[in-house]
Amino acid sequence: AQSVTQLGSHVSVSEGALVLLRCNYSSSVPPYLFWYVQYPNQGLQLLLKYTTGATLVKGINGFEAEFKKSETSFHLTKPSAHMSDAAEYFCAVSALGRLAFGKGNQVVVIP
Amino acid sequence: DAGVTQSPTHLIKTRGQQVTLRCSPKSGHDTVSWYQQALGQGPQFIFQYYEEEERQRGNFPDRFSGHQFPNYSSELNVNALLLGDSALYLCASFSLQETQYFGPGTRLLVL
Repeated sequence: AQSVTQLGSHVSVSEGALVLLRCNYSSSVPPYLFWYVQYPNQGLQLLLKYTTGATLVKGINGFEAEFKKSETSFHLTKPSAHMSDAAEYFCAVSALGRLAFGKGNQVVVIP
Repeated sequence: DAGVTQSPTHLIKTRGQQVTLRCSPKSGHDTVSWYQQALGQGPQFIFQYYEEEERQRGNFPDRFSGHQFPNYSSELNVNALLLGDSALYLCASFSLQETQYFGPGTRLLVL
């Protein structure tokens, strides 16, 4: 079965500082990996995804993630946090179209 | 192009009642998945419908059932509601191995 682990439910970051959200996955097959963002009282919006090919994936709003098979990781980064980045972020792994999500990281941006 | 739509947006029910939630997939998508997101948690996979049949099911009791119509829209039914069924219910649609797009969700409160 596929699963992901996200540590640290709440992450505080200063405006302009690096955003780093960690995700480790477990998969019995080559994984498809995703990061989704959820703003209050809204559904999930895709930030970026990895399927095959280039291991550094760029997404929307300046986010990127790197797939590292040796470390079974897919960490999300953004060089400079903006106030609008305050939201909840979910890492997910897909198997046959079925997404398994982590518990999420609530990101707070401090002015 | 309309994305994934869900109705209603909010719903309040009492224990023991039954509820039906509805989802219209994004244009061109033929597969619908349903997820339950409890407060402070990541979404949990309920089931997936393709060609009007349940193709996959997560670890949810038989009180949770669904249906897909010829136009690919879908319903989620929950019988004998429990307090613990209070959650945000998310619908996602996709086609083949493409990215899943999520609707805004239906927030269900069981009293």
